[in-house]
This record gives sequence, C-alpha cells and structure tokens, in this order.
Amino acid sequence: DIQMTQSPSSLSASVRDRVTITCRASQSISNYLNWYQQKPGKAPKLLIYAASILQSGVPSRFSASGSGTDFTLTISSLQPEDFATYYCQQSYTTPRTFGGGTKVEIK
Amino acid sequence: QVQLQESGPGLVKPSGTLSLTCAVSGDSISSSVWWSWVRLPPGKGLEWIGEIYHSGSTYYNPSLRSRVTISMDKSKNQFSLNLISMTAADTAVYYCARGAVQGYYFDYWGQGTLVTVSS
Repeated sequence: DIQMTQSPSSLSASVRDRVTITCRASQSISNYLNWYQQKPGKAPKLLIYAASILQSGVPSRFSASGSGTDFTLTISSLQPEDFATYYCQQSYTTPRTFGGGTKVEIK
Repeated sequence: QVQLQESGPGLVKPSGTLSLTCAVSGDSISSSVWWSWVRLPPGKGLEWIGEIYHSGSTYYNPSLRSRVTISMDKSKNQFSLNLISMTAADTAVYYCARGAVQGYYFDYWGQGTLVTVSS
C-alpha cells in the first residue's frame, strides 16, 4: 500500500493567515493526488484533484502543487469557513489511501 | 445535480453483518464512473473500503477483502456494501461516493451514516 503522510496533524491560525499543509507519498504517485475538506458531521468535499486542479465552485484562495512524492495545499488568506480538517488522497493505485488529516483550528 | 444517499441500520451486533445501500440520483449507476465506499472511524482518518464499476468489476481494500462485498442494482440505480463479522473496530461513519474514472477522485459524496457495533 502507498502510505500518505500529512503534516502538521493540526495547526492554529488566524483569519487572513496564509496556511500550508504538506502531504508526502511513500512512493511516486505522479500527479494522482487529491485534497478534501471535511467539517464536523459533514461529508468530505473535494477541493483539488490531479494535484493542482481546482474543483468547480471552490474559492481561488485554495491552491495546490506537487508531483511525485511531495505535495502542498495552500490557503492564501484563511477565512472563518475554512476551519476544518483537510485530507490528501492518492488515486494512483488501489488501495486508495488517505493521509491522516490536518485539523485547522482558530488561534 | 448528483446526489447519493446511504441507508441501513445504525446498530450492528458483534459478529453480525452490515448491509448498507447507496441510492444514486442525478446520474446513472451504469455511467463510466466508480461507485465507492469510504468510512471514518471515530477519532481517526478516512479509510477507503472499495469500489465497483458499471461493468461489475470491483476492487477492495486488502485489509477488508475477506469480509467485504460491494454490488450494484442497476434496476434501482443503487449500489450496496456488505461487511461480515463486524467488530467494534468497524464502528464508523460510512460514506458512499462517486469516483471519477479519469483521476479516481471522489467528486460526490453521500451525507454519511453512523454505524455502531455493540451488543
């Protein structure tokens, strides 16, 4: 199985802060990397697919980059509605695996 | 608008079998996408359970393969999850999701259903 490691596991930030989350794969996954946002009691929401493509309807303050084994998700100016848990997921092969999640909390 | 809705029991006894159904609207279960199950155990991260293609091809997480079956009912436009020999470790919120064929990302999700394993 491909292991996905996210860091940090949690962070505290203020509104309008720039936030960066990293995700590392245990082997090369090309650009088969997706990012999701999940709020308590809600289903995950697709933010980014194919490492850097913004899903329709997702605000442009979200961006992502990377290929191979190292990936990042950036929120350029954190908004109140962005406090949530973020997961990366590799879709290079089965089993499709997720990172452990990064919880973004209010400072 | 594509919508997915899980249904099934919220409580399963240890050693029992979980049967969940995902009703799909706004898309055909026969379209060229993957139909998937993902779960979120309390205090843990997301875990992919498995997926089924319109042809009936299935892929399962090796950690669950001996206990899981995913099937589809094209006449009802729905797909299902069966998980046998349930234990407390299977307590989780279970989600159904649609997976895009090109990229295998999950673009639509059901709201999720909490399944508790307890006597």
